[in-house]
Parts: sequence; structure tokens; C-alpha cells
Amino acid sequence: DGGITQSPKYLFRKEGQNVTLSCEQNLNHDAMYWYRQDPGQGLRLIYYSQIVNDFQKGDIAEGYSVSREKKESFPLTVTSAQKNPTAFYLCASSIHGLDSGNTIYFGEGSWLTVV
Amino acid sequence: GIQVEQSPPDLILQEGANSTLRCNFSDSVNNLQWFHQNPWGQLINLFYIPSGTKQNGRLSATTVATERYSLLYISSSQTTDSGVYFCAVRFRGGADGLTFGKGTHLIIQP
Repeated sequence: DGGITQSPKYLFRKEGQNVTLSCEQNLNHDAMYWYRQDPGQGLRLIYYSQIVNDFQKGDIAEGYSVSREKKESFPLTVTSAQKNPTAFYLCASSIHGLDSGNTIYFGEGSWLTVV
Repeated sequence: GIQVEQSPPDLILQEGANSTLRCNFSDSVNNLQWFHQNPWGQLINLFYIPSGTKQNGRLSATTVATERYSLLYISSSQTTDSGVYFCAVRFRGGADGLTFGKGTHLIIQP
């Protein structure tokens, strides 16, 4: 089945540790995105990538890093510099980016808890 | 600043009722989508509607781009309609990615 796969679904991390969230898509989409959602809030953009080997910071990039070495993969690393990392993380993709009116599709999300 | 505001923040209705959710945005957009987030966190696309009107079953949406608002209508509500409804926009000339409102939390009681 075509879609966006995020893993792990649930992750616990000790303070001071980096953690990497996986996002894989088999939709052949050029653009991929990472969002963060806090309880009772909307989604906020962390990073996005419109093409392989290129990515841009979103609204809340501090404390996060990404890579885009392959078209189908866009992993997100939550570093120890992120002050409040406990949140729900959503990966998304669109065929060519959103300025031409394409729709965006989301994975099922990853719950990260810092203990 | 650039904003997306949704109202009401919370809505509790009986099964069978109709509802209207509103989304106001602060600048011109070239992409506007409505989503439903289920209790497990999954975001489901409902409509891509930067302008005009669309209908899909019991749901319909209207965007008046010149007045910078969009409305989502839910008719004959069912308990499975419960969840959070988000409006998200891409502002014309802005960076890629959608800007989300804070959502409307809808509870449909049997």
C-alpha cells in the first residue's frame, strides 16, 4: 500500500539524549515535512524539504536536525538542545510542494516523551 | 502577524445536529485545506479549497478568499464525526508548508 510510515509510534527518551524519528514514503513525492503538535494546539512546522539533498527551516527548527539523502526518507533528529521535546511529531509529504495547490498527506505520527 | 484563527474552539452537539466551523486567515492564500484528526492522532484530508465550494457527502466547505475566511459544514452529525478539525493555509508568497489554526474540538453525543 502507498503511504507514509513513521517509526517508532511511541518513544521514551532520557534528558540529554538525542533521538531520531523515521519517516518513509512510497508515494514518489518530492516534498516532505515535519510538524510538531502539543496538546490542545495546532501543528507547527519544524523543517521541510522540496528536493533531495536540500531542506529548509520552518517556524520552530531550533533543537532539531534533518537530512534528505533519499527521496523517500526524511528522518528527524531531536537533539538535547531542544528544551521541551515531549510532543506528537507528524511527518507529511506532497507531490511537488504546496504553492501549486497540491494536497498534503500525513503519517500516523510518533509520540515522544522525555523522562 | 500572519495568523489562522478557528472558531469555536470547542463544540458539543447531539447526534443528528448540524454544525458550522469557521476559519479566518490574515493574508492571501494559494492553498487551504481542512483536516479531521481522530482520537488516535491521524490527520485525514477533508477538502482542498483555496476558493469556492465543495461537497463530499454530509460535509461541505466554502472559502471566500477575498474576505479571508473558510467555513466547514457538517450535517446530520454522527458520533464518528467527533475529533478535532483543523484549517491550514499556505500564504501566497510565503515559505512552503501549511500554517495551522488551533482547531475546533467537536464532540458528538449519542
